[in-house]
Amino acid sequence: AQSVAQPEDQVNVAEGNPLTVKCTYSVSGNPYLFWYVQYPNRGLQFLLKYITGDNLVKGSYGFEAEFNKSQTSFHLKKPSALVSDSALYFCAVRASYNQGGKLIFGQGTELSVKP
Amino acid sequence: DAGVTQSPTHLIKTRGQQVTLRCSPKSGHDTVSWYQQALGQGPQFIFQYYEEEERQRGNFPDRFSGHQFPNYSSELNVNALLLGDSALYLCASSLLTGTAEQYFGPGTRLTVT
Repeated sequence: AQSVAQPEDQVNVAEGNPLTVKCTYSVSGNPYLFWYVQYPNRGLQFLLKYITGDNLVKGSYGFEAEFNKSQTSFHLKKPSALVSDSALYFCAVRASYNQGGKLIFGQGTELSVKP
Repeated sequence: DAGVTQSPTHLIKTRGQQVTLRCSPKSGHDTVSWYQQALGQGPQFIFQYYEEEERQRGNFPDRFSGHQFPNYSSELNVNALLLGDSALYLCASSLLTGTAEQYFGPGTRLTVT
């Protein structure tokens, strides 16, 4: 069975400091991995994805994520956090054999960036 | 280029009633997926439509049904509403390729009283 775990319900960071939001996954075969961000009372906004190739993926708004196959992790990172980055972040996985199919989401991590 | 749109934005229904939610996909997309997001949870996959057929289904009862129209828009129907159906219902559109990300609409907030 496919699953995603986001071990931290909340991450607190000071503005200007680096941030990391953790994600681990379980899937049969090769994973396709995604990060989404959700602002209050809004839908999910796509940030970045890992399909194959370079383990460091760059996405929107200065975010990046590192794929680690041996640790089955896909942590989201940003070198310098902004107050406007405060939101709910979701990691999702799809098995590569599941062409275009459903995404399995983690429970989300609330990121709070303080001035 | 319009993104994914959903209607209505909010809806209040009574237990036992039926509800229909609507979704228009992003231009150029042919696949629509529906998710239920309960408060404090991640989205849970309900089903996916492609070429007007249900392609995949998550672990939801038959009270949840859907439809896709020739213009790729979609409806989600829920019968015999329960209090536990209260949630944000998200529609996502994409192309049917393995690597494609899904683009989400703003959601419909359903409250069942």
